[in-house]
Amino acid sequence: DAGVTQSPTHLIKTRGQQVTLRCSPKSGHDTVSWYQQALGQGPQFIFQYYEEEERQRGNFPDRFSGHQFPNYSSELNVNALLLGDSALYLCASSPGRGITNEKLFFGSGTQLSVL
Amino acid sequence: RKEVEQDPGPFNVPEGATVAFNCTYSNSASQSFFWYRQDCRKEPKLLMSVYSSGNEDGRFTAQLNRASQYISLLIRDSKLSDSATYLCVVGGPSGSARQLTFGSGTQLTVLP
Repeated sequence: DAGVTQSPTHLIKTRGQQVTLRCSPKSGHDTVSWYQQALGQGPQFIFQYYEEEERQRGNFPDRFSGHQFPNYSSELNVNALLLGDSALYLCASSPGRGITNEKLFFGSGTQLSVL
Repeated sequence: RKEVEQDPGPFNVPEGATVAFNCTYSNSASQSFFWYRQDCRKEPKLLMSVYSSGNEDGRFTAQLNRASQYISLLIRDSKLSDSATYLCVVGGPSGSARQLTFGSGTQLTVLP
């Protein structure tokens, strides 16, 4: 049983570019959340997807957008990259039906470096 | 004030020691509480849920004090493999899509 898988594992971009990160949830999970973890900080909630819709959003600008596909996989897009967007981006899934995202299962993350 | 505050440490303890981590949260309407463990450059993993009655899982004991908005984690007989960052996590008020808020983590190093 595959857990949460994310791709790519590492990415280097320059300021102003756009990036797309991908996530496949754990089998049986239908809710996907994205988190940003800066060095030395805890993960910060970006947004959550369920039934292909954004259900909740944290305090992140519109440059951060996402999508969920019918097979529950998800993408995180970041436009107009800033140096401060450099972080580990974590995808987490849960079987919460969009109701709760407790007891999250995290992927190993995508390390994004913006130069 | 941060929503979830933890002492960042680092805590450096010898093998076999007992170590305690504390965490406070600001939203009195919070409904769920957890400790996650994160190894260096890896993803966070759920260590245990925290209940008002307290709960124990082997060498790990978690306590919740709702009146003081305070959560603790006690690790007894520390092992080298316990070295990691411990994240205090709080779930929002009841309602749809309760999101989790993570503390910044407490770093533990168990020394031989």
